[in-house]
Amino acid sequence: DTEVTQTPKHLVMGMTNKKSLKCEQHMGHRAMYWYKQKAKKPPELMFVYSYEKLSINESVPSRFSPECPNSSLLNLHLHALQPEDSALYLCASSHVLAGGSVGQETQYFGPGTRLLVL
Amino acid sequence: AQTVTQSQPEMSVQEAETVTLSCTYDTSESDYYLFWYKQPPSRQMILVIRQEAYKQQNATENRFSVNFQKAAKSFSLKISDSQLGDAAMYFCAYRSALIQGAQKLVFGQGTRLTINP
Repeated sequence: DTEVTQTPKHLVMGMTNKKSLKCEQHMGHRAMYWYKQKAKKPPELMFVYSYEKLSINESVPSRFSPECPNSSLLNLHLHALQPEDSALYLCASSHVLAGGSVGQETQYFGPGTRLLVL
Repeated sequence: AQTVTQSQPEMSVQEAETVTLSCTYDTSESDYYLFWYKQPPSRQMILVIRQEAYKQQNATENRFSVNFQKAAKSFSLKISDSQLGDAAMYFCAYRSALIQGAQKLVFGQGTRLTINP
């Protein structure tokens, strides 16, 4: 099973709202990722968690706050967003690449949450 | 830093024909992974095929195959017997194998493939 699930599928929020995106996987992966994707563009990495610890933050504004409560779950908390933050937010997971490991580096993506900020 | 270039923003092909999508990359590393992902209008990114740089043999998955030319830093995707369900945005991606742990994928700008019935 290579399934990553994301909820909600669609989200509309005002600039003063607080909302959260949720991502879940049960593949035993210990790396989880948040990407932002604008229309007709490739995904842009936002955050990476490795063994439930934040390992990469691509200089994302503090109005985006990630959280990894356990090895299967990844959240993205949203607060005071701007209209330009409207995008598709993709979650992905993978094994954590270790020396000599082959075939574990593939990232599997969820279906995404389409966010509209008004 | 590594870069990935897809020089064809759009491609079209007749159903049942063969089409090749181009991808070139720039890296100073000797060991890495290359991927092709497909993103149909439903927007879910789906892995199509993966290639390990240390393997000389080109990867194949059913109707999908790659032409990996390491010296030329080229990684093209060939789709044989194109089907309507192949219509999607295709992204080429690079991942270092020298850095352990969770690392980012470097994506190309994508090629939108249209299948004409």
